[in-house]
Amino acid sequence: EDKVVQSPLSLVVHEGDTVTLNCSYEVTNFRSLLWYKQEKKAPTFLFMLTSSGIEKKSGRLSSILDKKELFSILNITATQTGDSAIYLCAVSNFGNEKLTFGTGTRLTIIP
Amino acid sequence: DAGVIQSPRHEVTEMGQEVTLRCKPISGHNSLFWYRQTMMRGLELLIYFNNNVPIDDSGMPEDRFSAKMPNASFSTLKIQPSEPRDSAVYFCASSLQGGNSGNTIYFGEGSWLTVV
Repeated sequence: EDKVVQSPLSLVVHEGDTVTLNCSYEVTNFRSLLWYKQEKKAPTFLFMLTSSGIEKKSGRLSSILDKKELFSILNITATQTGDSAIYLCAVSNFGNEKLTFGTGTRLTIIP
Repeated sequence: DAGVIQSPRHEVTEMGQEVTLRCKPISGHNSLFWYRQTMMRGLELLIYFNNNVPIDDSGMPEDRFSAKMPNASFSTLKIQPSEPRDSAVYFCASSLQGGNSGNTIYFGEGSWLTVV
């Protein structure tokens, strides 16, 4: 059974700090790893990673995948209060379309 | 293009009543997913369809839960009879299998169910 573990479960930092969120996984026939941000409603897509060592970047957010060690990190620099959310990591495998999610990291940014 | 549309957005019902949640996937998407989210267990996949056919329903908790997808633009998730432990947010999501977006799935805004 595919498994995704995220850490920390929750994190509280001050505005302007940099944070690193972790995601480790076990999946048969790995296809991709995805990061989502969930504020009050639906999770919204951030990144999809399929290859090791290639950083994906969007503004202050970046993410990288290590397929040998089976983990990914999501970095947020110069955090802002609008970054407060639950960040979800999910993995997929070849052969089916479903995503298996971790329980998420709840990030709170204090002004 | 409209995103995934779910209804109702909020539902409060009494234990034992039937609950029907509805979903309209993104037009052109051929895979549809029902997820349940709780504080304790996070996001759990209940069932997913590909080309209107149920592919994996191993996450459906018990016989009280059923899901249908009669056509490419509509799906329902039914709970009968409902119980307080079914209280959760139920998300519908869709994706395009085989597209360049890979396994990126897009979520609706969820149906917030409370069973009292």
